[in-house]
Amino acid sequence: GDSVTQMEGPVTLSEEAFLTINCTYTATGYPSLFWYVQYPGEGLQLLLKATKADDKGSNKGFEATYRKETTSFHLEKGSVQVSDSAVYFCALSSHRTLIQGAQKLVFGQGTRLTINP
Amino acid sequence: DGGITQSPKYLFRKEGQNVTLSCEQNLNHDAMYWYRQDPGQGLRLIYYSQIVNDFQKGDIAEGYSVSREKKESFPLTVTSAQKNPTAFYLCASSIRGGVSHEQYFGPGTRLTVT
Repeated sequence: GDSVTQMEGPVTLSEEAFLTINCTYTATGYPSLFWYVQYPGEGLQLLLKATKADDKGSNKGFEATYRKETTSFHLEKGSVQVSDSAVYFCALSSHRTLIQGAQKLVFGQGTRLTINP
Repeated sequence: DGGITQSPKYLFRKEGQNVTLSCEQNLNHDAMYWYRQDPGQGLRLIYYSQIVNDFQKGDIAEGYSVSREKKESFPLTVTSAQKNPTAFYLCASSIRGGVSHEQYFGPGTRLTVT
């Protein structure tokens, strides 16, 4: 079945460092790919998404490119801030997991990111 | 402002008691979802509903029940049959019918059963 594998955390960086969080997926067909972020004690928010190969999603300085040849959707940011400390989830949805109009997201296990000042 | 509300934020129950978690949305979304989050794990789907008066089991439905009598509301009952009910529960909603649509999440309810 469809699955998402994320880089294991926790990840700790200093402010202004470069960030990469790896995400690879297994899916049939052409899934849509998402990065969600969860700040402490809150629900998830969509950070960015890409719906077809070679698409780049971007938001708040974060970027991820949908690479079908490597089945990857790595999250990057050039200069992280303390406020970026959160848990990041990679997820996919596909036509195979679309059931009667309800979209079934398949999540990775999450990567906890801590940024030190 | 449109969004999803979940109440309460923290809930404590004794073992053997059923408990109902509330989820309300004013986004006019047809599809709604319940997820369970455990430390160090991704989200796992408990139940989902694509339209009023219809819902389906997700990957871990045992010990849970839901209803969908109104478009805006999708309450989750954690029954005494759920072996490990202590967890963070998240409700979400989305537009129906597409793989690229965003799911909008509520702030979650942390349930502790002792």
